[in-house]
Amino acid sequence: AQSVTQLGSHVSVSEGALVLLRCNYSSSVPPYLFWYVQYPNQGLQLLLKYTTGATLVKGINGFEAEFKKSETSFHLTKPSAHMSDAAEYFCAVSKGGSQGNLIFGKGTKLSVKP
Amino acid sequence: KAGVTQTPRYLIKTRGQQVTLSCSPISGHRSVSWYQQTPGQGLQFLFEYFSETQRNKGNFPGRFSGRQFSNSRSEMNVSTLELGDSALYLCASSSAGHTGELFFGEGSRLTVL
Repeated sequence: AQSVTQLGSHVSVSEGALVLLRCNYSSSVPPYLFWYVQYPNQGLQLLLKYTTGATLVKGINGFEAEFKKSETSFHLTKPSAHMSDAAEYFCAVSKGGSQGNLIFGKGTKLSVKP
Repeated sequence: KAGVTQTPRYLIKTRGQQVTLSCSPISGHRSVSWYQQTPGQGLQFLFEYFSETQRNKGNFPGRFSGRQFSNSRSEMNVSTLELGDSALYLCASSSAGHTGELFFGEGSRLTVL
């Protein structure tokens, strides 16, 4: 069975600082992994995905994530935070065999201080 | 290209009533999934439809149902509403061969009084 754990429900960084949002997964099959972002009163938007191949994945808005099988992790990073990055971020794993069935973590709310 | 459209955006119902939510996917997307989002439980998968057929269903009671039409538009229905059904209901569409790459609507926020 698949599951996702996001460490830290709230993360606060200063503008210009490194953003690191942690995600660990559990999967009995090779996972497809995703990061989504949700801005207030909006739906979710795909930031990046890992399926196969290169373990360092680059996404939109300067975010990237690295798939580490040995650590069962898929942490999201951005070198320099912008005020516009303030949002809630969700890590997700695809439930095998389903196109639209994702198992989401509980989310991490990112605050960016000026 | 128009995004995923959900209607209504906000609605208030009382316990025992039923509600129908609508979702129009991105043109060309034949897969539609529904999720319930609450502060306590987070995002939970309700069901997935593809070409008018339910392909997957989450762990929700039978009061939650859905369907998909030939134009890929989808509806979900919740009967005999309970207070705990208050949530943001999100619809997402995707195209074939793009597992997990979901395009979400802005959601329908349901409040049950």
